[in-house]
Amino acid sequence: EVQLVESGGGLVQPGGSLRLSCAASGFTVSSNYMSWVRQAPGKGLEWVSVIYSGGSTYYADSVKGRFTISRDNSKNTLYLQMNSLRAEDTAVYYCARDRTTVTTGYMDVWGKGTTVTVSS
Amino acid sequence: DIQMTQSPSSLSASVGDRVTITCRASQSISSYLNWYQQKPGKAPKLLIYAASSLQSGVPSRFSGSGSGTDFTLTISSLQPEDFATYYCQQSYSTPPRFTFGPGTKVDIK
Repeated sequence: EVQLVESGGGLVQPGGSLRLSCAASGFTVSSNYMSWVRQAPGKGLEWVSVIYSGGSTYYADSVKGRFTISRDNSKNTLYLQMNSLRAEDTAVYYCARDRTTVTTGYMDVWGKGTTVTVSS
Repeated sequence: DIQMTQSPSSLSASVGDRVTITCRASQSISSYLNWYQQKPGKAPKLLIYAASSLQSGVPSRFSGSGSGTDFTLTISSLQPEDFATYYCQQSYSTPPRFTFGPGTKVDIK
């Protein structure tokens, strides 16, 4: 079964750091594009970052320079290192498999999400 | 950056109704448009990709159309399990900026 399971969320003070993990099963993370998407409480969806199968990474302007997406091929796991956290980073963070090609791009498998709360 | 809008922001409908949701992009995005369904406390679920392709396992009462800047999601006969929030998302931008629309909440009349 194709599945994604996020972990690592929690309560962190402003300016702090947190690393989220997303363990995949049923497919290989390194052979796919993988994205992070977040959802602030009561708000809509916001794309955060993507890592391509070749290793290229891209970020939303709101997190560029503070967040880093990476993967561990041996563990088949995706990560999101979040530094210099702000209150506005408070959200549920989802990882998703990204099926971007030349002619299309969509996220077809999603994890259940992990909650990050940034507060003093 | 490409901006996405949706209308209406919410709607009330009855089981069996035909429901149409509109999504508009601030510039042409060809057919790089996807639709997701999200229920409270759950992850989004892909319904339609590339504007009109039905994701595997999604009921045929869901359909998508459009290209360029204007797109629609249609539910031909609303079922109880369809009450949810629906988001459109563009995947046209390079480098990637996969912008979502603000969502349309469909609830019971």
